Amino acid sequence: QKEVEQDPGPLSVPEGAIVSLNCTYSNSAFQYFMWYRQYSRKGPELLMYTYSSGNKEDGRFTAQVDKSSKYISLFIRDSQPSDSATYLCAMISAGGTSYGKLTFGQGTILTVHP
Amino acid sequence: EAGVAQSPRYKIIEKRQSVAFWCNPISGHATLYWYQQILGQGPKLLIQFQNNGVVDDSQLPKDRFSAERLKGVDSTLKIQPAKLEDSAVYLCASSLDRQDTQYFGPGTRLTVL
Repeated sequence: QKEVEQDPGPLSVPEGAIVSLNCTYSNSAFQYFMWYRQYSRKGPELLMYTYSSGNKEDGRFTAQVDKSSKYISLFIRDSQPSDSATYLCAMISAGGTSYGKLTFGQGTILTVHP
Repeated sequence: EAGVAQSPRYKIIEKRQSVAFWCNPISGHATLYWYQQILGQGPKLLIQFQNNGVVDDSQLPKDRFSAERLKGVDSTLKIQPAKLEDSAVYLCASSLDRQDTQYFGPGTRLTVL
């Protein structure tokens, strides 16, 4: 079983739709949760970062973490064609030998069409 | 602020040949990472440096991969000899310290024929 499982997609939605991206994890040591966005032929860039259960909002993006269920989500409101990219969830352990090591999900390809 | 620089951007080689990738992290960043991203997958950490010391190379295939970070700044990743399954994008990232935000370079796309 992979430590991080991400809904594979791909997702294709019309402009203005609400998008939901999801990941589950099995390692209880994961304490920090991130969403990265990766455009084609570019490196990943950090979109959202959170370390506690609950919601964190930043503009059109909301990151949700449920540590009891080991489940994280990213919601995109009023999606735009410029949101078309691969979205990667990533997690970090709080300590030990894996301190600072990012473990990624496999990524979800999102296409927002006008 | 300049980002993470990588070169070359693309490389095509035959199997059993050797190849090297170069990374220049953001100035002042102590931690440097090399990731391998196979098509359709998320990045997988190969090696992590703290200054010029290795802190995690547990997933680096040491029989063919090697990496170094001279003087705690630039880094090179080498593959010798390359196999078909090494075809991937090799990403370099850096952060101020181990728990800080990682900033990624554009990657080097390697094709092994």
